[in-house]
Amino acid sequence: GENVEQHPSTLSVQEGDSAVIKCTYSDSASNYFPWYKQELGKRPQLIIDIRSNVGEKKDQRIAVTLNKTAKHFSLHITETQPEDSAVYFCAASMWRDDKIIFGKGTRLHILP
Amino acid sequence: EAQVTQNPRYLITVTGKKLTVTCSQNMNHEYMSWYRQDPGLGLRQIYYSMNVEVTDKGDVPEGYKVSRKEKRNFPLILESPSPNQTSLYFCASSYDGRADNEQFFGPGTRLTVL
Repeated sequence: GENVEQHPSTLSVQEGDSAVIKCTYSDSASNYFPWYKQELGKRPQLIIDIRSNVGEKKDQRIAVTLNKTAKHFSLHITETQPEDSAVYFCAASMWRDDKIIFGKGTRLHILP
Repeated sequence: EAQVTQNPRYLITVTGKKLTVTCSQNMNHEYMSWYRQDPGLGLRQIYYSMNVEVTDKGDVPEGYKVSRKEKRNFPLILESPSPNQTSLYFCASSYDGRADNEQFFGPGTRLTVL
């Protein structure tokens, strides 16, 4: 079955710098790659997603890139702010299977 | 307000005492799912349902049961809870009867099994 690896598990960046979180997946049939943000004590919420027919997607300070050949996708956050501090989860799914596999999460700390 | 609700939000119980965690959504979503979240392990899918009377196992279904008799409700049943089921549980739903759509999560249920 599908397996999703996420790195790093913890990331600290200075406020204003960029943060990059990377995920790899194992099943080339996966076609949907969302990213969820979970603030402390809150539920996960979708921040951006990408489908396999697109290589890059951007939404203000957040962008996701997908490399289907290498089977990896990345979350990029530019000009980080204190409110970006949270746990971020990547995930992969394929319509024919209907399961969703999440990565183990990355705890992002934004340092003042 | 469009939302996913779960009850109870917190529960402390003892080994072997059957319990049910309810999940309800008011968005007419077809796909519903249960996850458990454990430190260092991320979110793991327990069971999912693509529509009424259609359920299937996720990655960690052992020790759990679900039912989908109505579109809006998807209860999680622990027939004989054990301490290794102590966890934070999330219910989620999405629009289409497939997994490749945004998941809307409930507020979570923190379960402790003594």
